[in-house]
Amino acid sequence: GQNIDQPTEMTATEGAIVQINCTYQTSGFNGLFWYQQHAGEAPTFLSYNVLDGLEEKGRFSSFLSRSKGYSYLLLKELQMKDSASYLCAVMDSNYQLIWGAGTKLIIKP
Amino acid sequence: DADVTQTPRNRITKTGKRIMLECSQTKGHDRMYWYRQDPGLGLRLIYYSFDVKDINKGEISDGYSVSRQAQAKFSLSLESAIPNQTALYFCATSRGTTDTGELFFGEGSRLTVL
Repeated sequence: GQNIDQPTEMTATEGAIVQINCTYQTSGFNGLFWYQQHAGEAPTFLSYNVLDGLEEKGRFSSFLSRSKGYSYLLLKELQMKDSASYLCAVMDSNYQLIWGAGTKLIIKP
Repeated sequence: DADVTQTPRNRITKTGKRIMLECSQTKGHDRMYWYRQDPGLGLRLIYYSFDVKDINKGEISDGYSVSRQAQAKFSLSLESAIPNQTALYFCATSRGTTDTGELFFGEGSRLTVL
């Protein structure tokens, strides 16, 4: 079966750096997405990786290793507004998105 | 105004009632989706539509039906609601390409079935 694993919850301190990991086992691979979802709100797109390596976008970076079935989202200079759930999703060989359950990130002052 | 609008935002109903959740979009996208979100689970696809004449079942279509009335409108129906359909429902859209497949979500419809 297809599976996306990510930690349920993480805690970090304002101003610090946090890495949220995502491992996947899917039928084929056509890209990996990270979305941010604040409590009670809709998910919003953060990043897309289809090739191995690091994609940097401001304070957020996303890394992909297709051979390891692994990705991480790196958040730098954490701000209180970064408190949210972070959803990892993989597009399989049929271009269907398989979603992880999300990682709830708690930022403490 | 939101580009993807869902109505109602919140609904409480009783077992056996028929419920319709509506979604409209102003993004001009061809592709529309209905997902449900439950605590501790990933988003699960209920139905999707790549254009007005194209409707496809997703992972968990049993107990649901959809109608694509126009490019901009995609509604989800629960013919006879049951308590385990209590969830947060999201409508989403995407462009008709597969380069990134970025989804644009509505604000969600919280449904409670008693």
